[in-house]
Amino acid sequence: AQKVTQAQTEISVVEKEDVTLDCVYETRDTTYYLFWYKQPPSGELVFLIRRNSFDEQNEISGRYSWNFQKSTSSFNFTITASQVVDSAVYFCALSEAFVNNAGNMLTFGGGTRLMVKP
Amino acid sequence: DAGITQSPRHKVTETGTPVTLRCHQTENHRYMYWYRQDPGHGLRLIHYSYGVKDTDKGEVSDGYSVSRSKTEDFLLTLESATSSQTSVYFCAISDQGQGITDTQYFGPGTRLTVL
Repeated sequence: AQKVTQAQTEISVVEKEDVTLDCVYETRDTTYYLFWYKQPPSGELVFLIRRNSFDEQNEISGRYSWNFQKSTSSFNFTITASQVVDSAVYFCALSEAFVNNAGNMLTFGGGTRLMVKP
Repeated sequence: DAGITQSPRHKVTETGTPVTLRCHQTENHRYMYWYRQDPGHGLRLIHYSYGVKDTDKGEVSDGYSVSRSKTEDFLLTLESATSSQTSVYFCAISDQGQGITDTQYFGPGTRLTVL
């Protein structure tokens, strides 16, 4: 069975600080996909990134960066120079590649609530 | 933004009553999913569909049923609502090929309260 752990339930930082959100996963599959979603106070779920298990290159998108390390089963998310608008709950999720019609069921971590104070 | 709507957006009901939540998509995606979100649990999969009239159970399917008679609509029914089903319900859609996966995009959510 697959599992995703986000050990940090809440993080509070002051604006302009860098912050890293941790994500550790468990899976028996060699082919799998990792995701990060953002849930702002308005409640919707916003897709941020998808990474497959064969691509360990780190990715940067503006102030966001992701560090994927298969050796430690981690997919951490860093926000550089945080802003108040980054305040949200962030979810890490895992899915295995599917066969036939099974669909890709996402397994979510419990989420990390990030509060950025001005 | 993916064209996904959910209705109703908020509902308060009483224990023992039936409730149906609707998810509607305009993307013609094959796969549709229902999740529930509860504090500390993230989102958990209830049921999913891989085509018209093709559905299967997820992690927390007890007490729920689904139907999909058209590509664009996926209904979630609580036959007899219980207080433990108080939650926020999200619908998601995706379109995948064999052996790969695609991103799931989520609807705005439905907040259900069972008194």
